[in-house]
Amino acid sequence: DGGITQSPKYLFRKEGQNVTLSCEQNLNHDAMYWYRQDPGQGLRLIYYSQIVNDFQKGDIAEGYSVSREKKESFPLTVTSAQKNPTAFYLCASSSPGTDYYNEQFFGPGTRLTVL
Amino acid sequence: AQSVSQHNHHVILSEAASLELGCNYSYGGTVNLFWYVQYPGQHLQLLLKYFSGDPLVKGIKGFEAEFIKSKFSFNLRKPSVQWSDTAEYFCAVSLSGGYQKVTFGIGTKLQVIP
Repeated sequence: DGGITQSPKYLFRKEGQNVTLSCEQNLNHDAMYWYRQDPGQGLRLIYYSQIVNDFQKGDIAEGYSVSREKKESFPLTVTSAQKNPTAFYLCASSSPGTDYYNEQFFGPGTRLTVL
Repeated sequence: AQSVSQHNHHVILSEAASLELGCNYSYGGTVNLFWYVQYPGQHLQLLLKYFSGDPLVKGIKGFEAEFIKSKFSFNLRKPSVQWSDTAEYFCAVSLSGGYQKVTFGIGTKLQVIP
């Protein structure tokens, strides 16, 4: 089955530690995205990547970093500089070059709790 | 700045009641419109989308939405809800043409009481 996997589902870290969230897709999509979901705030874009080895900051990139070395993978690192890292993180992908470029497909999410 | 407003943050309905969730946007230009649903414990999935053509869009599970350009609205409707429709619903908007950032509303939590 094609889809997006995120691991782990739940993640706990101590304050001051960096943590990397995994996102893998086998949909052959070129574009991938990271969102943060907080209660009452909807989804906010952290980073996005339209092609391998290229990525851009979204609305709330401070304290986060990403890499895109492979088409299938777009890991997100939450650094110790992120002031409020506890949240639900969603990875998504979409397929450029189609009429439905901006239709995004989402993974199951990772709930990060920083203690 | 581009924005999306969902008017109802928490809606409680009895089974068989009709549903209408409001969504308004402020964008200049041609838009793509989406409704996503997040069932408890499940990932966000597309309910329906509008890119062009008939402004009345039908989606999965009996949902539909109407794009009213003059009102900058894309309200979601269902004539008769079921307990299984309990979920959080997100409206999303982007400009059309190539890659465009998708802006999401803050979501509406729907609780359907049996």
